[in-house]
Amino acid sequence: EAGVTQFPSHSVIEKGQTVTLRCDPISGHDNLYWYRRVMGKEIKFLLHFVKESKQDESGMPNNRFLAERTGGTYSTLKVQPAELEDSGVYFCASSQVVAATDTQYFGPGTRLTVL
Amino acid sequence: AQSVTQLGSHVSVSEGALVLLRCNYSSSVPPYLFWYVQYPNQGLQLLLKYTSAATLVKGINGFEAEFKKSETSFHLTKPSAHMSDAAEYFCAVSEWQGGSEKLVFGKGTKLTVNP
Repeated sequence: EAGVTQFPSHSVIEKGQTVTLRCDPISGHDNLYWYRRVMGKEIKFLLHFVKESKQDESGMPNNRFLAERTGGTYSTLKVQPAELEDSGVYFCASSQVVAATDTQYFGPGTRLTVL
Repeated sequence: AQSVTQLGSHVSVSEGALVLLRCNYSSSVPPYLFWYVQYPNQGLQLLLKYTSAATLVKGINGFEAEFKKSETSFHLTKPSAHMSDAAEYFCAVSEWQGGSEKLVFGKGTKLTVNP
């Protein structure tokens, strides 16, 4: 069974540009999460999809970030325009059900560098 | 809101020595607790989780953790370190809000294993 995949693995962009990150969850997983780790800090929750609906987007930093999950399959996270403080590693995770006993499976992350 | 504190951002042990990675949590409700590991250039992998069953939880690769409510701790241990254990380890607590679950992570501990 394929795990959670993320694309690209690395992205280097200039301040003010736009970047789109993609996440493909494990097949059949209705729940998809985005997290971010800024250098030296903890991994922080950004948002949670259940199928194509945003269940919780309380962690989104500001309106420069837009997440979508059309059709309830893969998800994209767009940053527009990117700022220096957006640099970090963006992780995607998926789970089958929303339950603390269920496991969130993480992808390898996308390392974003904004110059 | 829940929080997690990992004592020691870097821990170094000799091969064959005991591994002890510390995690303390703050939670207003009985917590669900997790340890994840990130090997170089890989995603986060679940090592083990506590979901209010046995307080001593066994995970993969010989790791285990003990939930101690009186100490609000969930320390990770392994009796004998292997070189392959070198990685970054993250403790997390599950937080529920508005029908959504998210993981709240500590800052991580990098484990170095010396030959």
